[in-house]
Amino acid sequence: NAGVTQTPKFQVLKTGQSMTLQCAQDMNHNSMYWYRQDPGMGLRLIYYSASEGTTDKGEVPNGYNVSRLNKREFSLRLESAAPSQTSVYFCASRPGVNTEAFFGQGTRLTVV
Amino acid sequence: GENVEQHPSTLSVQEGDSAVIKCTYSDSASNYFPWYKQELGKRPQLIIDIRSNVGEKKDQRIAVTLNKTAKHFSLHITETQPEDSAVYFCAQRPHNQFYFGTGTSLTVIP
Repeated sequence: NAGVTQTPKFQVLKTGQSMTLQCAQDMNHNSMYWYRQDPGMGLRLIYYSASEGTTDKGEVPNGYNVSRLNKREFSLRLESAAPSQTSVYFCASRPGVNTEAFFGQGTRLTVV
Repeated sequence: GENVEQHPSTLSVQEGDSAVIKCTYSDSASNYFPWYKQELGKRPQLIIDIRSNVGEKKDQRIAVTLNKTAKHFSLHITETQPEDSAVYFCAQRPHNQFYFGTGTSLTVIP
């Protein structure tokens, strides 16, 4: 039981490049989330998926897209990376509405 | 995060003293109130949570209190130790979303 697994752990992109951050959970959780963490800003919600087949915008969705590929996987795509997207990205999952969220180990992304 | 205000942003205490962090929320329908701890370079992890049918919950040196009338909940850490130094986040769950406060950096001075 690995929990929530994110890949890659580190990535450096040039401005304008695209990439997909992968997230998978093996806990049969319904809800999955993507956050970015910047100094002094806490964890800000980018997109979430309440259940398989649904996705919705969070606080800061501009510049990102997501795919809930199946119940296990929820990917985050940057189509044209910008320096403002330099951040640590966390994926999380929860089994239900009033339950604990489990986090992946994070992806440190630098856009130069 | 949206609709969640957390204070203070930084807190320094002497080892053995108590620390209190407070969060204020706006959605009166909220009924689940967790607190997460994030050590440097690591992922956030749940340390305690409370549901709206109780006013207080304790787990050893950690407690959470909830005031639904005033729409705020607080984390209390007693007898602080150096290993309590970390960033602490509250969270709120409006509908299917899950928003976090901006965090409190706690430093426990030996």
